[in-house]
Amino acid sequence: EPEVTQTPSHQVTQMGQEVILRCVPISNHLYFYWYRQILGQKVEFLVSFYNNEISEKSEIFDDQFSVERPDGSNFTLKIRSTKLEDSAMYFCASRGTLQYGYTFGSGTRLTVV
Amino acid sequence: KQEVTQIPAALSVPEGENLVLNCSFTDSAIYNLQWFRQDPGKGLTSLLLIQSSQREQTSGRLNASLDKSSGRSTLYIAASQPGDSATYLCAASGANSKLTFGKGITLSVRP
Repeated sequence: EPEVTQTPSHQVTQMGQEVILRCVPISNHLYFYWYRQILGQKVEFLVSFYNNEISEKSEIFDDQFSVERPDGSNFTLKIRSTKLEDSAMYFCASRGTLQYGYTFGSGTRLTVV
Repeated sequence: KQEVTQIPAALSVPEGENLVLNCSFTDSAIYNLQWFRQDPGKGLTSLLLIQSSQREQTSGRLNASLDKSSGRSTLYIAASQPGDSATYLCAASGANSKLTFGKGITLSVRP
């Protein structure tokens, strides 16, 4: 069964450093997303991406965040200057059409120290 | 703004019991509703997807129902097993396509 692949599985970074989280969505999917889950809290929406542009973003997704689909297969989330409160599990997801369910990756656990 | 609630937060049952996990949502204008399983420290595994026009979906020992008018969905697990122990999340998708999650129900099935 097709999978969404995320790398790395765990990243530790110092506060103020830039991080890039990488995702390879399912190849024929059209909609791409990033969600995050702070320990003990709900999974929350960050951003959706369709047709090579952001279609919606949450209040969390401020100027420190950006997304890119540089080569038609990878989908990246960049955090420019990490804060302690950015520590969370970050999930990438994709879906073929709006009628289909989401497929999530296994997540990247980001720890900011 | 959509809000999704799952109560109780945790549930412990003996092996073999049939059980129902509840999910409620405030905005009935959903596109579909999806149930996920999450093992500790792991990703989200999709269990069942119910379109807004459907009433229920079944996969093996799992059955999910949807009642849009009352803003409720249930996940029924038949003959529970210790391997079913995990956190079960429901999430509603609106026309804008983003998912709104509940906080999940942590299920423990005792041998």
